[in-house]
Amino acid sequence: DQQVKQNSPSLSVQEGRISILNCDYTNSMFDYFLWYKKYPAEGPTFLISISSIKDKNEDGRFTVFLNKSAKHLSLHIVPSQPGDSAVYFCAASASRSSGDKLTFGTGTRLAVRP
Amino acid sequence: DAGVIQSPRHEVTEMGQEVTLRCKPISGHDYLFWYRQTMMRGLELLIYFNNNVPIDDSGMPEDRFSAKMPNASFSTLKIQPSEPRDSAVYFCASTYLARTDTQYFGPGTRLTVL
Repeated sequence: DQQVKQNSPSLSVQEGRISILNCDYTNSMFDYFLWYKKYPAEGPTFLISISSIKDKNEDGRFTVFLNKSAKHLSLHIVPSQPGDSAVYFCAASASRSSGDKLTFGTGTRLAVRP
Repeated sequence: DAGVIQSPRHEVTEMGQEVTLRCKPISGHDYLFWYRQTMMRGLELLIYFNNNVPIDDSGMPEDRFSAKMPNASFSTLKIQPSEPRDSAVYFCASTYLARTDTQYFGPGTRLTVL
């Protein structure tokens, strides 16, 4: 039973264009959402997060949008760069505390074409 | 700081053999997490420790899996006996701020069970 779903296993985007990665969740108890980025042969690294009290959080080229009623969040990367090519994991938690475990999606592989 | 250290990086073993994965968290971190990554299920939390005490092991797939943290600087994940379906990448992560966005992942151990 996948509580966090990333239905697109892969995405290919031209350099300079926008990349949009999507994520859906089913558990209404989730209150904090994160995106992690993973390069080959490395562990995931934290990218950006959003609390359920917000609907948008921006950090440079990265913006996360949250639609609680639809149980949907998305990550926008503008403009996309070749160095953004990686696997992106969406994750959710009941709170920001490490005492509440993270539930991850299956990941979306982003390829940014030069 | 060297980051989270995992060993071995790659492990190939035969079905029925015992496998031990090792993790050294970042010094000073009091939370340690073990995850497993597969194509079908993404990143799954197996177990996590706080101050060397197991807090939640509900993600451990079955009794063949066990994890220990004898001290603040070392943890093991053991599979005995191993099966081909255990083939995956196993990650260890640690944090100290009690926040999910500060989990630092190791590079992972790629396990192949033949």
